[in-house]
Amino acid sequence: AQTVTQSQPEMSVQEAETVTLSCTYDTSENNYYLFWYKQPPSRQMILVIRQEAYKQQNATENRFSVNFQKAAKSFSLKISDSQLGDTAMYFCAFAFYNQGGKLIFGQGTELSVKP
Amino acid sequence: GAVVSQHPSRVICKSGTSVKIECRSLDFQATTMFWYRQFPKQSLMLMATSNEGSKATYEQGVEKDKFLINHASLTLSTLTVTSAHPEDSSFYICSARGPRGVDADTQYFGPGTRLTVL
Repeated sequence: AQTVTQSQPEMSVQEAETVTLSCTYDTSENNYYLFWYKQPPSRQMILVIRQEAYKQQNATENRFSVNFQKAAKSFSLKISDSQLGDTAMYFCAFAFYNQGGKLIFGQGTELSVKP
Repeated sequence: GAVVSQHPSRVICKSGTSVKIECRSLDFQATTMFWYRQFPKQSLMLMATSNEGSKATYEQGVEKDKFLINHASLTLSTLTVTSAHPEDSSFYICSARGPRGVDADTQYFGPGTRLTVL
């Protein structure tokens, strides 16, 4: 079965500090994409970062970066210089190549950035 | 790019009435759209996959006669909650599969619709 596990239901971080959200997944497939989505209090789902599984280089988007360990099936998200606007629920997910784009979501991690 | 709109943003209706929610891809054509339901503090639960010009594929446990999905064009999918009851009250979110390449395996989400059934 394909699953995504986010073991940290809640986390908090001080403004300007760095925080890492963990995500592990399970699949026997070899070709897939991994995603982190953010859902702030407005509840709009926003794509934070995307990683192609065939790429060894970790994806980065400004203050957001991932640590992708394919053998360990781990895909953590690092947020540097945390800002109050980063307060949100963060969801890890994956989708298989060319299979309709269906996402498998984790349970989410609620991140609070404190001033 | 890859903007998805959803309308209405919130709706309150009486028990027994039907409610239609629209999902539009504004700047790209979406052959596939998805409908989710989300309860507070929980993850998204996929209800169905909507493909343009064909019948929707429903997830196990989702009543297709209760939640009617139509994907009549490459930019519009609709979800109709028929004979709504209080237990149908929830946050409904749509998404659209991106236009091409890497984006074709990325979903872009609408802002969601809060449905309250009295």
